[in-house]
Amino acid sequence: GENVEQHPSTLSVQEGDSAVIKCTYSDSASNYFPWYKQELGKGPQLIIDIRSNVGEKKDQRIAVTLNKTAKHFSLHITETQPEDSAVYFCAAPLSGSARQLTFGSGTQLTVLP
Amino acid sequence: NAGVTQTPKFQVLKTGQSMTLQCAQDMNHNSMYWYRQDPGMGLRLIYYSASEGTTDKGEVPNGYNVSRLNKREFSLRLESAAPSQTSVYFCASTLFGQPNQPQHFGDGTRLSIL
Repeated sequence: GENVEQHPSTLSVQEGDSAVIKCTYSDSASNYFPWYKQELGKGPQLIIDIRSNVGEKKDQRIAVTLNKTAKHFSLHITETQPEDSAVYFCAAPLSGSARQLTFGSGTQLTVLP
Repeated sequence: NAGVTQTPKFQVLKTGQSMTLQCAQDMNHNSMYWYRQDPGMGLRLIYYSASEGTTDKGEVPNGYNVSRLNKREFSLRLESAAPSQTSVYFCASTLFGQPNQPQHFGDGTRLSIL
């Protein structure tokens, strides 16, 4: 069944503005939350991840926040650039599985010049 | 480094035809995965192989078979292709088959079934 819900499905921002993508998960036991970026014609690539023992993690212009109580996590991209345009996927461990990830449905981010 | 290599990159089949999608990784990873990607549905796991010699069903295994040929290679076979199997197929690998490890993806095989 559905384990991860991702919103919005599309997002357009002006270059230099911030972008936020949100995901909710259902299994309170989940402890790992990665974000993948997929450029056109390519496979997804891990850009940042967070584990359940921290509330926020940053890597230059990218940050991820985690709210375990509300069971949601978000990707924040600041000072967006045209090369940030891509599809972004969140993921979480599949409920009841020791080996599988379940992915959100993806967000198409477009950074307008 | 090549990482994860998938062949072919594109393929068109007729309904009922069979074909095998190939995947190879050169990172000495133990676990490998096959996903399909459809518009608005993210990535859905078809099959995975936690280690050489083992395979397990994922979320959408019907109509597919897999073979873990050796540690490097993991193939996906469509025995009798159906239009519903038109999709982009991705292979991925991780060092060990735990969900809290990064998955390394190939660039996909775009498959159309007429």
